[in-house]
Amino acid sequence: QVTLKESGPVLMKPTETLTLTCTVSGFSLTNARMGVSWIRQPPGKSLEWLAHIFSNDEIIYSTSLKSRLSISKDTSKSQVVLSMTNMDPVDTATYYCARILGTDWLDPWGRGTLVTVSS
Amino acid sequence: DIVMTQSPLSLPVTPGEPASISCRSSQSLMHSNGNNYLNWYLQKPGQSPQLLIYLASNRASGVPDRFSGSGSTRDFTLKISRVEAEDVGVYYCMQALQTSITFGQGTRLEIK
Repeated sequence: QVTLKESGPVLMKPTETLTLTCTVSGFSLTNARMGVSWIRQPPGKSLEWLAHIFSNDEIIYSTSLKSRLSISKDTSKSQVVLSMTNMDPVDTATYYCARILGTDWLDPWGRGTLVTVSS
Repeated sequence: DIVMTQSPLSLPVTPGEPASISCRSSQSLMHSNGNNYLNWYLQKPGQSPQLLIYLASNRASGVPDRFSGSGSTRDFTLKISRVEAEDVGVYYCMQALQTSITFGQGTRLEIK
């Protein structure tokens, strides 16, 4: 069974750097045509894709957030780490990681972690 | 980025009745391989999104056959043949033609 689980801070202050970890099981981060993506969802709003990292180490970032994002993986720990700098209250959202198959679809998703940014 | 537009945004449905959700993209989602890179997700209350339909018309594993997807190039439809109480939630379309994935605004299905 493939599962993904997000972990990270619940509450942050403006200007801080967010670091989230996605721990996967049931598949390897070296599997061909597989990768992990990060997506976020502000309360009551739609979904916004943030970044992909693929088994061949290719990385793609959202154009609008590229300057603030960094994604990496540790295959030995089956973990993908997303960092976002200079957090602002508008970044308050539930952050999800999901497996991406090829570049075709996201499945499954983790349960998500709510990150609140407030002074 | 490709813009995804869903309609309606709210959909009240009587159990046992059919339901239909439309999704339109700002540019064609058809790849040169003939596949349309359009997926449908359902986010049930308090849960993460779950894959319903991939590549426009393929039901994901475990998805009931009352769900079906159709369409091509820019216009796509998700149909539920007979709505059940467990189908409530927000439905999203998502394009994956471009690696910079984008989602529709979501359609909230509620039971009358």
